[in-house]
Amino acid sequence: DIQMTQSPSSLSASVGDRVTITCRASQGIRNSLAWYQQKPGKVPNLLISDSSTPHSGVPSRFSGRGSGTEFTLTISSLQPEDVATYYCQEYNSVPLTFGGGTKVEI
Amino acid sequence: EVHLVESGGNLVQPGGSLTLSCAASGFTFADFAMHWVRQVPGKGLEWVSGISWNRLNIDYADSVKGRFTVSRDNGKNFLYLQMNSLRPEDTAVYYCVRCWGFSSFFELWGQGTLVTVSS
Repeated sequence: DIQMTQSPSSLSASVGDRVTITCRASQGIRNSLAWYQQKPGKVPNLLISDSSTPHSGVPSRFSGRGSGTEFTLTISSLQPEDVATYYCQEYNSVPLTFGGGTKVEI
Repeated sequence: EVHLVESGGNLVQPGGSLTLSCAASGFTFADFAMHWVRQVPGKGLEWVSGISWNRLNIDYADSVKGRFTVSRDNGKNFLYLQMNSLRPEDTAVYYCVRCWGFSSFFELWGQGTLVTVSS
């Protein structure tokens, strides 16, 4: 099974800061990686698929990149409404696995 | 409008059984693979099980294999998860999710239903 390691597990930043979250796969997964945002008390929402393709309606400050084993999610200018936990997920093969999550605070 | 609505979550004793249902609406259910993902309150996300649109691909996480059974009724637009031999560690919110393919990202989530396994 593929293991997904996210870092950091939490971070605190200021409004307007550039924030980067990293996700590493235990083996190559091409670009089969998605990112989700889960706000407190809410359902997870898809942000990005195929490593870098934003889902419909996702603000342009969110971007993803990477291929193989190392991936990043970047928030170019952190906003108060971005307070959430962010998860990566690989879909190269079943079982589908998630990273442990990164809690973003302001 | 596109919706996934889970039901069936409840308090159940260890060793007991429960069946979760997910009602799909607003899209052609038979076109999509469907999965169950769970989340222990305050913890991370865990994939549980998936079923392809034609039921030819079905798989389970090792943690539930042999105890849980996923099924679907494309005529009624329902997804199911039969859970047997429940354990306290199965306590979680269970989400029904839609995928384009069997091994894919989760593009549409239900609101979740809480399963609590406790004596």
